[in-house]
Amino acid sequence: SQTIHQWPATLVQPVGSPLSLECTVEGTSNPNLYWYRQAAGRGLQLLFYSVGIGQISSEVPQNLSASRPQDRQFILSSKKLLLSDSGFYLCAWKQSDTQYFGPGTRLTVL
Amino acid sequence: GENVEQHPSTLSVQEGDSAVIKCTYSDSASNYFPWYKQELGKGPQLIIDIRSNVGEKKDQRIAVTLNKTAKHFSLHITETQPEDSAVYFCAASRSSARQLTFGSGTQLTVLP
Repeated sequence: SQTIHQWPATLVQPVGSPLSLECTVEGTSNPNLYWYRQAAGRGLQLLFYSVGIGQISSEVPQNLSASRPQDRQFILSSKKLLLSDSGFYLCAWKQSDTQYFGPGTRLTVL
Repeated sequence: GENVEQHPSTLSVQEGDSAVIKCTYSDSASNYFPWYKQELGKGPQLIIDIRSNVGEKKDQRIAVTLNKTAKHFSLHITETQPEDSAVYFCAASRSSARQLTFGSGTQLTVLP
């Protein structure tokens, strides 16, 4: 069966510090991968998606970036965090029509 | 592109009553409609989905209906329980689409 992992589960970072969030998927190959952000009490904002290694599409211009160094690994990064980057970050994978979400990372920028 | 509207944004029901959440979509070519349940502090979980060749689908206390002509679909939860309290998201996509388009979510509260 397929599983999706995200780490860390929670993170508290100062403004201006770098960020690296990791997502890995097991039990499938060549999935579409996604990064979403969810502000408190709000909907799902798509940040990036990837259809293959090294292929990244950005949906929202901002100080975040994404990379896919391996087929089942998706990384979200920032060189300098802003207060507005706080939120709940969700990774998801998709094959054919169905999309599945990971457990999420709660990021607080102070 | 696709646009999905979801109503209501909040819904409170008494335990044992039914809850209905409605979504409309704009792209008549959309043919896949999943529903997700998100509990506090967790990632959304797929609870049921329907394809455009089917008008209704049931799974125990949960059912989804689809009206292709009117371009709307609904989630029905019967005999609600406190553990049904969560945020529910609808979504829509074409089979060939690379991403789902999500509704804005409904906070369902089941009062004991």
